[in-house]
Amino acid sequence: KNEVEQSPQNLTAQEGEFITINCSYSVGISALHWLQQHPGGGIVSLFMLSSGKKKHGRLIATINIQEKHSSLHITASHPRDSAVYICAVDSNTDKLIFGTGTRLQVFP
Amino acid sequence: GAGVSQSPSNKVTEKGKDVELRCDPISGHTALYWYRQSLGQGLEFLIYFQGNSAPDKSGLPSDRFSAERTGGSVSTLTIQRTQQEDSAVYLCASSLVSIHYEQYFGPGTRLTVT
Repeated sequence: KNEVEQSPQNLTAQEGEFITINCSYSVGISALHWLQQHPGGGIVSLFMLSSGKKKHGRLIATINIQEKHSSLHITASHPRDSAVYICAVDSNTDKLIFGTGTRLQVFP
Repeated sequence: GAGVSQSPSNKVTEKGKDVELRCDPISGHTALYWYRQSLGQGLEFLIYFQGNSAPDKSGLPSDRFSAERTGGSVSTLTIQRTQQEDSAVYLCASSLVSIHYEQYFGPGTRLTVT
């Protein structure tokens, strides 16, 4: 079993839909990262959080440390949100542990 | 300011040849990371530098892989006697101080071993 699990693996949505991507982890962490990888391959850091909730534009990330679970929400989804979303945890070992990613496709 | 840059962006090499991949981190970032992403796979940690030293080399897949960093800046990842299974995108990232800070990723080097 992977230390970081994401669900779903693949997700399709119609433009405007509310999207949720989940991340569960089995190790102790000091922080959790959400990353976005576009089809061209570039990776952008969306959030780094260790508690509570963060919001940036239409993106919201939450984390529940007790339940070892985080969610990434996208409100009013748009085709340009189509990408692979990757959850990664900082487990105090000087390296990130990555989930396998969630491939999101948003259709007009 | 400039982000993380990597060169070359694409590299095609014959099996058995050595390759060198370069990463220029964001100026002032002391932590630098190398990752590998094989086709259809997730990101895999390779090595981490704090300044010029590498506290954690545990992710290097074999002794054909080595990396160095000089002057607390540029890093090179060297793969000797390349094999077809080395084909992947090699990504570099840097952060201000350590892993506990946001990481900024480079565009990657796509390595194809024929």
